[in-house]
Amino acid sequence: AQKVTQAQTEISVVEKEDVTLDCVYETRDTTYYLFWYKQPPSGELVFLIRRNSFDEQNEISGRYSWNFQKSTSSFNFTITASQVVDSAVYFCALSPRSNYQLIWGAGTKLIIKP
Amino acid sequence: SAVISQKPSRDICQRGTSLTIQCQVDSQVTMMFWYRQQPGQSLTLIATANQGSEATYESGFVIDKFPISRPNLTFSTLTVSNMSPEDSSIYLCSVEIARGTGELFFGEGSRLTVL
Repeated sequence: AQKVTQAQTEISVVEKEDVTLDCVYETRDTTYYLFWYKQPPSGELVFLIRRNSFDEQNEISGRYSWNFQKSTSSFNFTITASQVVDSAVYFCALSPRSNYQLIWGAGTKLIIKP
Repeated sequence: SAVISQKPSRDICQRGTSLTIQCQVDSQVTMMFWYRQQPGQSLTLIATANQGSEATYESGFVIDKFPISRPNLTFSTLTVSNMSPEDSSIYLCSVEIARGTGELFFGEGSRLTVL
């Protein structure tokens, strides 16, 4: 089965706290891509990161970092020193190489309180 | 990256009517997709818009309900036909710039409310 699970439906933290969004995936493919997208209240989807299954290096981009662990089939996303503008729904997605379709998680709504 | 423009950005429609959503991309792309996002839900792929041929629909979506046109590599339309309140959703156009990467870029979406 191909599946993406974002177990956290909603997370609420106070500004400047660090927060981690979990993503667990299932796939039989040995080659695949993982993604994170952000959907702010305005509705558009913003691409954040793509990770190849062969590249387990963690990635850091400013306050954002991603931890990819194939052993646990997880691709978690951490925001350091959160800001109100980080408030959005965040989607994790999987693209198995076998069909190039994106399989989406249900999304995690992140609320950053001032 | 790509700049994707969708029109209309939002609309309120009457039950039984049809609405056509346009998607314009600022560069030629091979792969173009239409997604639906129902309130509070994740995205569901409706179909792949194929240039010069019929769209490829996912399970649960049919051409009579969601006819799609793709006359060239920069433009596509999705029509939501004979609308009912259950069709109230955000409809998103997306493109894959680098073929086979799965890295999608999205338009801002068209938010439809059916009364």
